[in-house]
Amino acid sequence: QKEVEQNSGPLSVPEGAIASLNCTYSDRGSQSFFWYRQYSGKSPELIMSIYSNGDKEDGRFTAQLNKASQYVSLLIRDSQPSDSATYLCAVNSGYSTLTFGKGTMLLVSP
Amino acid sequence: DAMVIQNPRYQVTQFGKPVTLSCSQTLNHNVMYWYQQKSSQAPKLLFHYYDKDFNNEADTPDNFQSRRPNTSFCFLDIRSPGLGDAAMYLCATSRSRGEGTEAFFGQGTRLTVV
Repeated sequence: QKEVEQNSGPLSVPEGAIASLNCTYSDRGSQSFFWYRQYSGKSPELIMSIYSNGDKEDGRFTAQLNKASQYVSLLIRDSQPSDSATYLCAVNSGYSTLTFGKGTMLLVSP
Repeated sequence: DAMVIQNPRYQVTQFGKPVTLSCSQTLNHNVMYWYQQKSSQAPKLLFHYYDKDFNNEADTPDNFQSRRPNTSFCFLDIRSPGLGDAAMYLCATSRSRGEGTEAFFGQGTRLTVV
């Protein structure tokens, strides 16, 4: 059973701070990793993808991957109240079907 | 400029009354997926189509069926909805099925069973 684990939170950070979201996965053969943002009552929105060990930056977002530790993280710099959402980690489990974690709720207070 | 469109956004159905949810896409993607998401849970894959090739997840109940009449459209049929089938149903598409292919979601359909 392929699993993706995330702390459900909520993770509370003040506006302007760095939010750090973490994810671990069980399938050592996984090669593709994604972060989705999901606002309450809405559908998931892709915000980052990462395939190689190391960091990938896109604006205020940085994804980090460590395949040896089976660990993926998402850093959000200069957090804004509009970043308050649930962040889903997803891992490719073959044939491009994604296995999702339950998500971490992020709350950014003004 | 929605690229994956689900209809309706909200659906109320009676216990045991068949219901169909629809999904269309303008991306010309080969793969279409149906996920079920219950409150505070991870999206759960029900099945997916790679072109016309249907792939059912082992634990998807027989109560759930799907049709993909052409590249653009995909339907989810729930033959006899139970109270436990109340959830958000998410349609997603991806260009192909290989590693690294990103999936894009529609707005979802919130199903209520009364």
